[in-house]
Amino acid sequence: EDKVVQSPLSLVVHEGDTVTLNCSYEVTNFRSLLWYKQEKKAPTFLFMLTSSGIEKKSGRLSSILDKKELFSILNITATQTGDSAVYLCAFYAGGTSYGKLTFGQGTILTVHP
Amino acid sequence: DVKVTQSSRYLVKRTGEKVFLECVQDMDHENMFWYRQDPGLGLRLIYFSYDVKMKEKGDIPEGYSVSREKKERFSLILESASTNQTSMYLCASSFTSKQFFGPGTRLTVL
Repeated sequence: EDKVVQSPLSLVVHEGDTVTLNCSYEVTNFRSLLWYKQEKKAPTFLFMLTSSGIEKKSGRLSSILDKKELFSILNITATQTGDSAVYLCAFYAGGTSYGKLTFGQGTILTVHP
Repeated sequence: DVKVTQSSRYLVKRTGEKVFLECVQDMDHENMFWYRQDPGLGLRLIYFSYDVKMKEKGDIPEGYSVSREKKERFSLILESASTNQTSMYLCASSFTSKQFFGPGTRLTVL
């Protein structure tokens, strides 16, 4: 059975700290891994990674995929209170999966001023 | 920008009632999805649809059904609501892997 596991499940930091969120997966077929950010509403897309070792970056957020060790990390540098959210990772198998994603449990990040 | 809308943000129903949750997308996406989200369990797929009138069970379909009569609209139906169906329900649509989510419906079943 395909599985996506995120760690830690929750994290509390202070503004300015750097955080690393982990996502490991055990899947039969792999096409891509996606990261989403969810505040008190709809999850919003952050990154999609398909190739190992290539970092995707957007401002203070960056993510990288390791297809050999089957994990991805999401880094947030110089955290701000606005980064407080649930961060979700999901994998996409491709093929005839019709766009279906399998999500991890999410990491709840709380950033204190 | 893709827009996915859901019919209600908050809904309170009684045990045994029939509940309809509606989702509409405006980007002509083939794929549409219904998830429920509970603390510590992440997003769990209930049903998805890859075309009009086509539907597939997800990981937790029991107690739910769906309807897709038009491409832009995907409905989730709780035939007889139960208290364990109290949850946040999220709808999403996609063309390929990148899914776009609606704002969610928080359903409480009393």
